[in-house]
Amino acid sequence: AQRVTQPEKLLSVFKGAPVELKCNYSYSGSPELFWYVQYSRQRLQLLLRHISRESIKGFTADLNKGETSFHLKKPFAQEEDSAMYYCALLGYGNKLVFGAGTILRVKS
Amino acid sequence: EADIYQTPRYLVIGTGKKITLECSQTMGHDKMYWYQQDPGMELHLIHYSYGVNSTEKGDLSSESTVSRIRTEHFPLTLESARPSHTSQYLCASSEMGKAYGYTFGSGTRLTVV
Repeated sequence: AQRVTQPEKLLSVFKGAPVELKCNYSYSGSPELFWYVQYSRQRLQLLLRHISRESIKGFTADLNKGETSFHLKKPFAQEEDSAMYYCALLGYGNKLVFGAGTILRVKS
Repeated sequence: EADIYQTPRYLVIGTGKKITLECSQTMGHDKMYWYQQDPGMELHLIHYSYGVNSTEKGDLSSESTVSRIRTEHFPLTLESARPSHTSQYLCASSEMGKAYGYTFGSGTRLTVV
């Protein structure tokens, strides 16, 4: 079975605080994982993918195969980070499977 | 500019009408997808295509149909719209054999009254 779980519907933090958006996956193959972001009134867009091991807008995500997790982290949240974040797994047949999403709200 | 385009952005239509949601991409991508997304909910794959004349149903059962006559065009059709079809429909595309993720369109928000 392939599944992506994002346990938090809403995460609210203050500006400057650390952020961690949780993502767990279930997949029998070698996973390829992504984080997508949707800002207000904008289209869903790719934020980062685990194979590139890059940092985008200060966000990083490390694949932990032992814990089957791919949490998204940022040390200091900014107001412009407020958005909907989706974790996604490239599953069987090269189709993306999405989690339910987490709304990140950064308060000033 | 290479991109993926969806029209219309918003559509309000009466029950029983036939509708077609348009999706076109100018990136030369082989793969195209339709996702359905209810507000605040996860995205569910309803159709996908790996190339011309290739269409498959996704994980979520849908009464809609799709066609892929040209590489760049992947329209979705509802023969008889019902209020239960009210949702946001997102089109996406990707390159074959590359794990670069998907490029999404802006979506069509459909309301059936």
